[in-house]
Amino acid sequence: AQSVTQLGSHVSVSEGALVLLRCNYSSSVPPYLFWYVQYPNQGLQLLLKYTSAATLVKGINGFEAEFKKSETSFHLTKPSAHMSDAAEYFCAVRIGRGGSYIPTFGRGTSLIVHP
Amino acid sequence: DAGVIQSPRHEVTEMGQEVTLRCKPISGHDYLFWYRQTMMRGLELLIYFNNNVPIDDSGMPEDRFSAKMPNASFSTLKIQPSEPRDSAVYFCASSPRRGFYQPQHFGDGTRLSIL
Repeated sequence: AQSVTQLGSHVSVSEGALVLLRCNYSSSVPPYLFWYVQYPNQGLQLLLKYTSAATLVKGINGFEAEFKKSETSFHLTKPSAHMSDAAEYFCAVRIGRGGSYIPTFGRGTSLIVHP
Repeated sequence: DAGVIQSPRHEVTEMGQEVTLRCKPISGHDYLFWYRQTMMRGLELLIYFNNNVPIDDSGMPEDRFSAKMPNASFSTLKIQPSEPRDSAVYFCASSPRRGFYQPQHFGDGTRLSIL
């Protein structure tokens, strides 16, 4: 079985500050991991994905995430927050090799950026 | 390239009425997913299709919900009769042929309000 936990339903940062959104997964086999962003009144858009090629993955809009197997984590970071980063962020996990093709989504983290 | 197209974007109707949501996936994508998003339950998978065939409908909440995919470029989600608790944002997503690293591409959703 696969599962994903996003710590913190809301994260508040000041513009220019570091963004850190946490995601921990549960899997008995190597996972495929995804971060999606959802802006108001829009669908989810892919930010980045981990497919075992490299542990540090760079995505769009300056975001990156690092896969840490020992910690079963895939936290999303951005060095300097911008007002336009305010959105809902979802972590998702998909297990290969006999696992379900259907990804499991976390509950989401709302990022609030203060001027 | 056109993304996943959903219609209508908003639907307001009275309890007991039939509601039909429509989705056009990205051309060439083999998988189509229907999700429901609410504050209480987050993002829930309702049903998914592979090559127009329903594979897993275990997420469909009740018999009042039905989904069809008559061809590769069109799918519908029907609710009959509708109830106030069906109010939510419904998303359609598609993804390419099987590959655990493939992300899903989401439409902008249909915001459904049942009065």
